[in-house]
Amino acid sequence: ETGVTQTPRHLVMGMTNKKSLKCEQHLGHNAMYWYKQSAKKPLELMFVYNFKEQTENNSVPSRFSPECPNSSHLFLHLHTLQPEDSALYLCASSQDLPHEQFFGPGTRLTVL
Amino acid sequence: EDQVTQSPEALRLQEGESSSLNCSYTVSGLRGLFWYRQDPGKGPEFLFTLYSAGEEKEKERLKATLTKKESFLHITAPKPEDSATYLCAVRGYGKLTFGQGTILTVHP
Repeated sequence: ETGVTQTPRHLVMGMTNKKSLKCEQHLGHNAMYWYKQSAKKPLELMFVYNFKEQTENNSVPSRFSPECPNSSHLFLHLHTLQPEDSALYLCASSQDLPHEQFFGPGTRLTVL
Repeated sequence: EDQVTQSPEALRLQEGESSSLNCSYTVSGLRGLFWYRQDPGKGPEFLFTLYSAGEEKEKERLKATLTKKESFLHITAPKPEDSATYLCAVRGYGKLTFGQGTILTVHP
């Protein structure tokens, strides 16, 4: 595997389900990010981790819970989501915080 | 607060018809301006980083330029495979801020 991988690629869940999104980077980077991309809106930064420590949480509802066990892996735990949470969730990594980010293919999430 | 505005929202070109995409920005202390390409259903693909006014970078048919207020992505003799959404982002002292993107369609 190379670059940034995300699983699953597609996810359909009910509002009462609990699921997790997984991201893995094979680039040796130190920083990892979660973004939300909704139709016709700019990318919204959700969380930032640098050397496994969370450095940013941009007012994200508590129904989204990130986890970064090491610099290569990032999870986004989901519970009691709302239909408006349906979007493409993108993971990215970078060598350090100010450098260019490399994105995964995303997880297309649909909340019924 | 950092802001990024991209124009036009959508651009349709004939194959071979050169044009430019605009990214206007306001940022507190520019630490980098980034261009990405995004194909439908995929994550953004990094294209360029520009750090200071006057800087230019090229890759195949694409050339990015930077001034103190805006950046241009020039597309020379585009091909249908250049069709994608092009995203601009800036980093100041805060987080990376993205524009809403320009959807480019190149017709054969």
